[in-house]
Parts: sequence; structure tokens; C-alpha cells
Amino acid sequence: DAGVIQSPRHEVTEMGQEVTLRCKPISGHDYLFWYRQTMMRGLELLIYFNNNVPIDDSGMPEDRFSAKMPNASFSTLKIQPSEPRDSAVYFCASSLGTARLREQYFGPGTRLTVT
Amino acid sequence: DAKTTQPPSMDCAEGRAANLPCNHSTISGNEYVYWYRQIHSQGPQYIIHGLKNNETNEMASLIITEDRKSSTLILPHATLRDTAVYYCIVRPFVGTYKYIFGTGTRLKVLA
Repeated sequence: DAGVIQSPRHEVTEMGQEVTLRCKPISGHDYLFWYRQTMMRGLELLIYFNNNVPIDDSGMPEDRFSAKMPNASFSTLKIQPSEPRDSAVYFCASSLGTARLREQYFGPGTRLTVT
Repeated sequence: DAKTTQPPSMDCAEGRAANLPCNHSTISGNEYVYWYRQIHSQGPQYIIHGLKNNETNEMASLIITEDRKSSTLILPHATLRDTAVYYCIVRPFVGTYKYIFGTGTRLKVLA
């Protein structure tokens, strides 16, 4: 299995631009999570989906952030417009709800820099 | 807010056991203790979890005190590749799938 795949691995953009981060979960997993990691705030859960439906988006910082999961194998996290304080590493993770351990498998992350 | 408290950093000599403590004094009866680690620039990786009994797998051992208010992750023979940030998380086994990551312990294994 290829694991969780994220793209791009690095993104540099200017303030005000739209940014789209992409995630492909592990095949067969029914939960998908988006996290953000910064030095100041650590690793924060932004939103998670179950069977493509958003379950908890209480961690989404503001309306500039949106996430979608159009099918079981693809999710996007969009920031529009982007701001310098959005600079962070964004991780996607997936999990199998019926698995005994229910551990989360993380992708390699996307390092976003907004100038 | 995270429900766990961990020391910010620890050092361990290569080949020795690394013992990483975690305090979770407000843990509920239905909450498990999970451990993850994050090697520099990578996503977190699951290590082990437990409820009240001690657990062991190929990566580590988990010792949970009888009152369940604290636990210790043990890496029996630490290697340089074990240098990472280690997170202790408590979460109900059923219901929410949310993890709340604290600040973790930065373990440095010294040659």
C-alpha cells in the first residue's frame, strides 16, 4: 500500500492567492482527517470526515478555510484568500473505523509558505 | 485542551532503554492511552495503545499505573532513529475519533 498521499509537498504562494492542498487516503479507509502543525500551536485537528461526510469542523480556523471530500479516494483543503499566518505544515491522515486499533495513518504533509 | 502532561525533552544514550512518562490524571474509564511519535519532517506514526493492562509490541512497551493516572512508554534499546517527538494522547475507544495532540516529549538519542 502506498500510504496516505499528499500533494503538493511544498507550496509557496503570495498573500491573497488561493491555495488547494490534496490528499488521497489509504484505500478502504473510511475516516479522513486534516491537521495543521505550527511551532506556536503544535498539531491541531482542523476537520474530519466519515464516509465522505464532514463530521467535525470545529477546528477550522475561519471561513477562509474549506474542505471537501467528493469521493472516498480524494479530499481537498482550500484556503482562499491565503494569509502569511496560514504558513504551516498540513497533514492528512486516514483511519479504518472498524479496525480494532483505529490508529490514524498520516501522510508526509504539505509545507505551505505564504509570503 | 490536551488531557496529558509530558516533559518537554529527554536525552537517552543509544542502546539504553528510553522511558517516557505521561501524566493523565483526569482520564476517564472509557479512555485509552495512545502513543504516537513524529520523526523530523514526517507525519506522526502510531506506536502503541492501552487501557489498563501493560502492553508490548515490536516497537515499544506501555506501562499504565493501576490508578491509570499516568503511564510510561518504554523503548527497550533506543537507537539514533528513535530521535523524535513522542505524543501521549487519551481518547475514548468508541465515539469520537478526534485526537488532541499536546506538546509531546522531544527525545534525543545520543551516540
